Amino acid sequence: LAKTTQPISMDSYEGQEVNITCSHNNIATNDYITWYQQFPSQGPRFIIQGYKTKVTNEVASLFIPADRKSSTLSLPRVSLSDTAVYYCLLQGNNLFFGTGTRLTVIP
Amino acid sequence: DGGITQSPKYLFRKEGQNVTLSCEQNLNHDAMYWYRQDPGQGLRLIYYSQIVNDFQKGDIAEGYSVSREKKESFPLTVTSAQKNPTAFYLCASTIRGMNTEAFFGQGTRLTVV
Repeated sequence: LAKTTQPISMDSYEGQEVNITCSHNNIATNDYITWYQQFPSQGPRFIIQGYKTKVTNEVASLFIPADRKSSTLSLPRVSLSDTAVYYCLLQGNNLFFGTGTRLTVIP
Repeated sequence: DGGITQSPKYLFRKEGQNVTLSCEQNLNHDAMYWYRQDPGQGLRLIYYSQIVNDFQKGDIAEGYSVSREKKESFPLTVTSAQKNPTAFYLCASTIRGMNTEAFFGQGTRLTVV
């Protein structure tokens, strides 16, 4: 089973750009890289997904190098409401979550 | 509105009793999943089903059972064999495939009393 590795926690000041990197050395050819956000006592919510290169939507960007062994979620100008746990998944035939990165945004 | 619904939101169970958690979706999704989350931890996969009448064990299936008789429904039974069932349980669904967004229910918090 493919595994992902993320930092356990990160702190950032309000208004800064935050980059969370995920390592996935054993990514399979048919895996897509997906990021989810979870607030306490709620189900995770989809943020962004990509296969290679760069993907951008209204809330985040996802950078994936050519070898696909890592990926970086970029959150521009974070606010206090972005304090949450962020999960990186390799979404193929299943959805296996890792431990996630707990992001705390400081005023 | 389409979505995925878990019920109840809070559930209390006496030790030694079985309890069933409901998960229903009207998104016409093929695949459904059950996860367990303990305080401060990530999500651990219990069972998943890619198609009706078929399901597979995840990482922590012991003490749990599921059924998938209908596409819309994927109930999870927490049996008395589960030694530490107190946790937050999440259900999810996706269109069967590799690049589709997963939708989650709001979760059921189970407490053994």
